[in-house]
Amino acid sequence: GQQVQQSPSSLVLQEGENAELQCNFSSTATQLQWFYQSPGGSLVSLLSNPSGTKHTGRLTSTTVTKERRSSLHISSSQTTDSGTYLCAIGGSGGSNYKLTFGKGTLLTVTP
Amino acid sequence: EAAVTQSPRNKVAVTGGKVTLSCNQTNNHNNMYWYRQDTGHGLRLIHYSYGAGSTEKGDIPDGYKASRPSQENFSLILELATPSQTSVYFCASGEDPTTLYFGSGTRLTVL
Repeated sequence: GQQVQQSPSSLVLQEGENAELQCNFSSTATQLQWFYQSPGGSLVSLLSNPSGTKHTGRLTSTTVTKERRSSLHISSSQTTDSGTYLCAIGGSGGSNYKLTFGKGTLLTVTP
Repeated sequence: EAAVTQSPRNKVAVTGGKVTLSCNQTNNHNNMYWYRQDTGHGLRLIHYSYGAGSTEKGDIPDGYKASRPSQENFSLILELATPSQTSVYFCASGEDPTTLYFGSGTRLTVL
């Protein structure tokens, strides 16, 4: 089945620094999503980016489909950005899709 | 705002006992999912459904059953709970990857 590898597994930054998170996947994906999970909390979708570059707020995602990789750039990090960032891919569209998740990158932003 | 509600939030069960985890969504989404999250494994798909009356096996269905009696409700059933099923379980609903909503999770401990 599909596999998703995320790196680094953890990252510690000082507030104001930028973060670069990586996601590599084993097979062609027609769907790619980045999620945020607060410490001990639930998951919230950040953005969907199956190809190209997409921006939302301080987040920028770049996906190179044929190289099976995606990145999430967080600019000017804040302590409230601390949590786990998960990459998930899906292979089919329509109403029967399912996502395969990576293990996540644990981001800690210190004051 | 879309809502996915899981119950209970926490559950302690005994080995061999029956456990039912419930999920309710008010989004009128066709697709619903059950994932478990464990350290070192990330989120793994157990069962999913694409409408009332349907259930499909995910990547790790062994030891679990699912039931989708209505559009709104999706249950995960552990007929004979084992300690290896101690985990955090998440329910999600969505029509496509850009509208995937997660519940707050159920922390299950099997003693």
